[in-house]
Amino acid sequence: NAGVTQTPKFQVLKTGQSMTLQCAQDMNHEYMSWYRQDPGMGLRLIHYSVGAGITDQGEVPNGYNVSRSTTEDFPLRLLSAAPSQTSVYFCASSSRQYSNQPQHFGDGTRLSIL
Amino acid sequence: AQKITQTQPGMFVQEKEAVTLDCTYDTSDQSYGLFWYKQPSSGEMIFLIYQGSYDEQNATEGRYSLNFQKARKSANLVISASQLGDSAMYFCAMREDYNQGGKLIFGQGTELSVKP
Repeated sequence: NAGVTQTPKFQVLKTGQSMTLQCAQDMNHEYMSWYRQDPGMGLRLIHYSVGAGITDQGEVPNGYNVSRSTTEDFPLRLLSAAPSQTSVYFCASSSRQYSNQPQHFGDGTRLSIL
Repeated sequence: AQKITQTQPGMFVQEKEAVTLDCTYDTSDQSYGLFWYKQPSSGEMIFLIYQGSYDEQNATEGRYSLNFQKARKSANLVISASQLGDSAMYFCAMREDYNQGGKLIFGQGTELSVKP
């Protein structure tokens, strides 16, 4: 049981480049979220989804785009990378049915923008 | 305003001793959940313990317990019998309206160092 899988684990981009961070879960969870973690800070919510076809913005959505065409996948797109987007990105999922269950996190993607 | 406040950026504890990591929260919701996660130097987020706002008893999971004081809006994590492997960042997080995607609001974390 893989849980939440994020790819790639590491990436270096140049300013202005675009890329997609992949996230897949095999637990049939309805809820999925993307967070970023900057040094010395907790995780901040970028975008989230309550189910296939439904997404919404979190606390820090600017510069990012998401879509949710299937239950399993929730990719995060950087439209035009900026140095301020250098961060560690975490994808997470949870079941709609059980509110006392935690979000399950992927291992993270470390992204550097030069 | 900060919804989750962790006032201890760093803490030290002697191996085998107990330690309390503080967390206060702010919400107007009646139904909410509080979580603690551990993040070791390898970077992954490890779920430790959960407390629901309607739970009457404090949550416990092995060496972890949550000191939940609802009126004071605090949810402190207690680690008993600290081990060297407990050295890590610890994050307190809150989930408000669960129907809004189960998303979490995190505190800034406490870095715990366990001394041999």
